Amino acid sequence: QVQLQESGPGLVKPSGTLTLTCAVSGDSISSSNWWSWVRQPPGKGLEWIGEIYYRGLINYNPSLKSRVTISTDKSKNEFSLTVNSVTAADTAVYRCASGDFYQWPYWGQGTLVTVSS
Amino acid sequence: QSALTQPRSVSGSPGQSVTISCTGTSSDVGAYNYVSWYQHHPGKAPKLMIYDVSQRPSGVPDRFSGSKSGDTASLTISGLQVEDEADYYCCSYAGMYGYVFGSETRVTVL
Repeated sequence: QVQLQESGPGLVKPSGTLTLTCAVSGDSISSSNWWSWVRQPPGKGLEWIGEIYYRGLINYNPSLKSRVTISTDKSKNEFSLTVNSVTAADTAVYRCASGDFYQWPYWGQGTLVTVSS
Repeated sequence: QSALTQPRSVSGSPGQSVTISCTGTSSDVGAYNYVSWYQHHPGKAPKLMIYDVSQRPSGVPDRFSGSKSGDTASLTISGLQVEDEADYYCCSYAGMYGYVFGSETRVTVL
């Protein structure tokens, strides 16, 4: 059973950089899966951030593409999300997810990131 | 890319059927047969209930079913049970835009 666990700071200052990591257990980050990030601002719906495929293919939400980077660390069996130049609008519960094409059967519990000075 | 439109809430008594609609556009729901549905109990990780419009992952009860007509996808829960009370999201592949989610539907078991 694949398990995902997000980690990272709960508070980030405006204009700063948000970095989250998703630790993967029960599967290899090098397996044929898509590794994704999704977020949910308070009181709002889910927003897809982006994904990375084991072969290195990466796709981003066009609305976030200029500020977002997703990468993998095979030595630690984890993948990461970096969001630059954050504002209050980036305050959200961030979740990592994984699965085959067009579906995510595996999700992390989520971590709340607040952007505030 | 705008969020897919879902009703804010639906409700039903145990044993009844409820259907949640998910309306998109010809660029997402209408263009691809890649609609998935997720059940979310607050504080827990979302659970995949339906993928590829109508496919059920192993372990998901067969009272959950999915369909699509044009730009609208639907999730039907037949024989509603108390444990089905949760939030439900639809999600569609949207080509160059990646993925777009629905606006969340709260299912209440009366």
